[in-house]
Amino acid sequence: GEDVEQSLFLSVREGDSSVINCTYTDSSSTYLYWYKQEPGAGLQLLTYIFSNMDMKQDQRLTVLLNKKDKHLSLRIADTQTGDSAIYFCAEASNTGGFKTIFGAGTRLFVKA
Amino acid sequence: EPEVTQTPSHQVTQMGQEVILRCVPISNHLYFYWYRQILGQKVEFLVSFYNNEISEKSEIFDDQFSVERPDGSNFTLKIRSTKLEDSAMYFCASSEYTGGRNEQFFGPGTRLTVL
Repeated sequence: GEDVEQSLFLSVREGDSSVINCTYTDSSSTYLYWYKQEPGAGLQLLTYIFSNMDMKQDQRLTVLLNKKDKHLSLRIADTQTGDSAIYFCAEASNTGGFKTIFGAGTRLFVKA
Repeated sequence: EPEVTQTPSHQVTQMGQEVILRCVPISNHLYFYWYRQILGQKVEFLVSFYNNEISEKSEIFDDQFSVERPDGSNFTLKIRSTKLEDSAMYFCASSEYTGGRNEQFFGPGTRLTVL
């Protein structure tokens, strides 16, 4: 079945770049997403990429997609303490119900 | 800014009892979803709902679960006879449309504790 895997923890220094990696198994994935979850809050969509794209840049965020290896990454440039949160990788296929499969989340800790 | 709201924020119930989790999606959204996250585990898709019927459901969403849009604003998840393993954070989400970007806006979640 479909699965999304990501490392559970990442620690970086303020001002450095953070790179969070994710792998997925569903080759029919059409959309790949990165969500952010702050303590006590819901999931906030940060950015997304269509499966026919290799890269997407959105201000400090860069998403890279290697469709052959089913590998997705999120790079956060100039990481700030406010970026500390859990980051979820997710994939969805354009089926009728738009079921979205999430990874377990990577907890990003930014040291001042 | 419009947001998805959920009530209650925390629900404690006895095993075997029925619970109803409530969500108010964003008003112009047409697609609604429920997800759950057992502590320390992944966010899992439960069900999607459009045009007053279920569009897709996961293996988790068995006969103990049901969803309803009882009026123009609420979207509910009912668990008929709760089990200990139903203890989790339940997230509601809504979106304007499927296809394209399909940004799903999530609520803050309801923490369900089954004793």
